[in-house]
Amino acid sequence: GIQVEQSPPDLILQEGANSTLRCNFSDSVNNLQWFHQNPWGQLINLFYIPSGTKQNGRLSATTVATERYSLLYISSSQTTDSGVYFCAVERRFPSDSGGSNYKLTFGKGTLLTVNP
Amino acid sequence: DTGVSQDPRHKITKRGQNVTFRCDPISEHNRLYWYRQTLGQGPEFLTYFQNEAQLEKSRLLSDRFSAERPKGSFSTLEIQRTEQGDSAMYLCASRLLSMGPTLLWYYGYTFGSGTRLTVV
Repeated sequence: GIQVEQSPPDLILQEGANSTLRCNFSDSVNNLQWFHQNPWGQLINLFYIPSGTKQNGRLSATTVATERYSLLYISSSQTTDSGVYFCAVERRFPSDSGGSNYKLTFGKGTLLTVNP
Repeated sequence: DTGVSQDPRHKITKRGQNVTFRCDPISEHNRLYWYRQTLGQGPEFLTYFQNEAQLEKSRLLSDRFSAERPKGSFSTLEIQRTEQGDSAMYLCASRLLSMGPTLLWYYGYTFGSGTRLTVV
């Protein structure tokens, strides 16, 4: 199956610092999403970004599908940014009943700690 | 849009007991997914539904696991004869796939808050 690697595995920042998280994937994908999992376990959708660049406030993401990687940028980090950031890729796979289905495969995440 | 709801949030059960979790997806979403997440890992795919039809099951889903989505609305995931290895966070997600004349349009996944299962 497809492999999704995220780096770094852990990151500690001081409030106000900027950071870049990376996601590499081993094969072509149809879609890619970035999630933030808060300390209570909730997975919050940050970006749905199969290609190109998107921005939402202090966060932005870029996916270069041809080179099989995506980057998540966090600027002016805040303590509330702490948590695990997951990259997940979606790829077509053959179904048992014929035809095709799509499945989301996650990386192991980057644990971000932002200190005051 | 109230998001994806899961119930209960936490469940502690004794080994050998049966448990059932519920997921209420976003109402207009036609696909519903179950994932399992263990400590320090990303979520792993278990199964998914297109409306009421269960289209795919992972090898992770042993015979003790069963999922249903009656009438294509809410879904339940039941685990029979629980084992300690079943302890995990069980996540539900939904999404909308819409079909145009020549294309399928895919929208992002929305996850619920999960049900944390502890088997003692």
